[in-house]
Amino acid sequence: GQSLEQPSEVTAVEGAIVQINCTYQTSGFYGLSWYQQHDGGAPTFLSYNALDGLEETGRFSSFLSRSDSYGYLLLQELQMKDSASYFCAVQTGGGNKLTFGTGTQLKVEL
Amino acid sequence: SQTIHQWPATLVQPVGSPLSLECTVEGTSNPNLYWYRQAAGRGLQLLFYSVGIGQISSEVPQNLSASRPQDRQFILSSKKLLLSDSGFYLCAWSVDPWGAYEQYFGPGTRLTVT
Repeated sequence: GQSLEQPSEVTAVEGAIVQINCTYQTSGFYGLSWYQQHDGGAPTFLSYNALDGLEETGRFSSFLSRSDSYGYLLLQELQMKDSASYFCAVQTGGGNKLTFGTGTQLKVEL
Repeated sequence: SQTIHQWPATLVQPVGSPLSLECTVEGTSNPNLYWYRQAAGRGLQLLFYSVGIGQISSEVPQNLSASRPQDRQFILSSKKLLLSDSGFYLCAWSVDPWGAYEQYFGPGTRLTVT
């Protein structure tokens, strides 16, 4: 089976940088995805890493180390609207499916 | 552009009653389709996924079932609901099987079993 670990909650101030870590144990690993979910809403895709290294998309970056079974999501220039839950998810099952972590609730304060 | 629809948005059902949730996708063909359940304050649990019409993979043994009668229609059913079936049910699609890393979610159905 698969298991993923993320911190349950992170708090940061507006304008700061925050890193959300994710460690995983799985077989048949294809890649690591990140999703954002605001309260009461549906998850939205943020980023994906299949290879080691850093992927940058605007204020968000994601990193993967396959040898360490570890990744992180980096959010820069935090804004109040970034307050949400962030989920890492491993792609497995021949690439057919995602297994999600339990999520990290990010609170951005003034 | 692609759109995913789910209904109903909210549902309150008594224990032992049947369930049928429907999901449809527009603007794409032969998508991969997924059903997830999310308990309050928790992560997403994959229930079923489908790579084509009539093809269903079950991830969690339970009293739920899924069907894909048409290319862009995915249905989640139960004959008799349990209290533990309460949760936020989300349907999602991806472009193709190997694109499962990027999924697009519907608005969800909030189910309360009483």
